[in-house]
Amino acid sequence: AQKITQTQPGMFVQEKEAVTLDCTYDTSDPSYGLFWYKQPSSGEMIFLIYQGSYDQQNATEGRYSLNFQKARKSANLVISASQLGDSAMYFCAMRESQYNFNKFYFGSGTKLNVKP
Amino acid sequence: NAGVMQNPRHLVRRRGQEARLRCSPMKGHSHVYWYRQLPEEGLKFMVYLQKENIIDESGMPKERFSAEFPKEGPSILRIQQVVRGDSAAYFCASSPLTADSNTEAFFGQGTRLTVV
Repeated sequence: AQKITQTQPGMFVQEKEAVTLDCTYDTSDPSYGLFWYKQPSSGEMIFLIYQGSYDQQNATEGRYSLNFQKARKSANLVISASQLGDSAMYFCAMRESQYNFNKFYFGSGTKLNVKP
Repeated sequence: NAGVMQNPRHLVRRRGQEARLRCSPMKGHSHVYWYRQLPEEGLKFMVYLQKENIIDESGMPKERFSAEFPKEGPSILRIQQVVRGDSAAYFCASSPLTADSNTEAFFGQGTRLTVV
């Protein structure tokens, strides 16, 4: 089974609007971390936000927030007030603690296009 | 504090040649991971190394690929007798010694290998 599933290959959003990028995960490890990375066209991987499996509150970092629904095993990224510079690939990733803690599992990514 | 350094950024090899990709982790980091990204896809785990040890190479192709992380110097990913299907972006990431599920991985800018 896929560890990380991102079902939206591409998304469009109007500048200044909010957008949600979907991510579901699969693990039997009780302790895990969920991450979102941004990859602009220049190619580098930029860390955006982290959510721990035991965190009670949803993580927020500026315009980024993570909608963590543990029972549904989803960790959607919400970008508020989209900017043109947000156009990029976005990857959801998971790191397990008890098993395979050394690996990050990545989804296939969502390409976000912000329209002016 | 320099980030993860990868070189070269771009590498062109003819079929049958060898490709050597280098990665210097962040200062103080002793865990190195290599990932491969095929065009329009997410990152796939290849290998996890600590100094002088290969911890997990479950994602490495069985032939032609090898990795090392010597006591001194950068980590090297070596691809012998390259084929067109090896064309991809290769990312290196590093983590500190006490990595846990909440520890983000810091990525280099990647090496884009093109086999002609």
